[in-house]
Amino acid sequence: NAGVTQTPKFQVLKTGQSMTLQCAQDMNHEYMSWYRQDPGMGLRLIHYSVGAGITDQGEVPNGYNVSRSTTEDFPLRLLSAAPSQTSVYFCASSYVGGQGNNQPQHFGDGTRLSIL
Amino acid sequence: AQRVTQPEKLLSVFKGAPVELKCNYSYSGSPELFWYVQYSRQRLQLLLRHISRESIKGFTADLNKGETSFHLKKPFAQEEDSAMYYCALNALGSYIPTFGRGTSLIVHP
Repeated sequence: NAGVTQTPKFQVLKTGQSMTLQCAQDMNHEYMSWYRQDPGMGLRLIHYSVGAGITDQGEVPNGYNVSRSTTEDFPLRLLSAAPSQTSVYFCASSYVGGQGNNQPQHFGDGTRLSIL
Repeated sequence: AQRVTQPEKLLSVFKGAPVELKCNYSYSGSPELFWYVQYSRQRLQLLLRHISRESIKGFTADLNKGETSFHLKKPFAQEEDSAMYYCALNALGSYIPTFGRGTSLIVHP
């Protein structure tokens, strides 16, 4: 199992450009989410999905779009990049265990994004 | 809504000293709590979960419902413990956790 795979690992964009951060998992997890990690701010939830075809907003959704057409993939789109979106982006997946217990998040390696 | 507070942004200790990384939460129901660790330039990974009640890499964490805390402890810190530590809470019926802001632990030789 590759686990959670994120591409690209690094990206530099100019203000106003758009791009898609890819996230794929091969563990058949129902839940997937995107976080951004900023110094002093910790991990903040951008968007999440509880299954194919279902997405919802997290704490900081503005400027981002997601879709979940398959269980495996959960891409994050930056519609018009802004310097405030310079960050490290992590994708994560998890599942519901027996008796409804929460299972830990499995994270990707992250994407370092710089917006000039 | 639930909240996770890690009051220390940075914790600096010497090798062999005891370490306690604080985590407080606010949630009206029964939480599920986790500690995640991120070593330099690596992905976040699970360190501990409260329902397991186990010790990983010498770290333990006990859920104190009275004080709404889930502090992470290690009696003797090692240099390889230097990392960013995040406390996370899953509310009942929610499978997407809320994270604290993280504590950077630096262990000096």
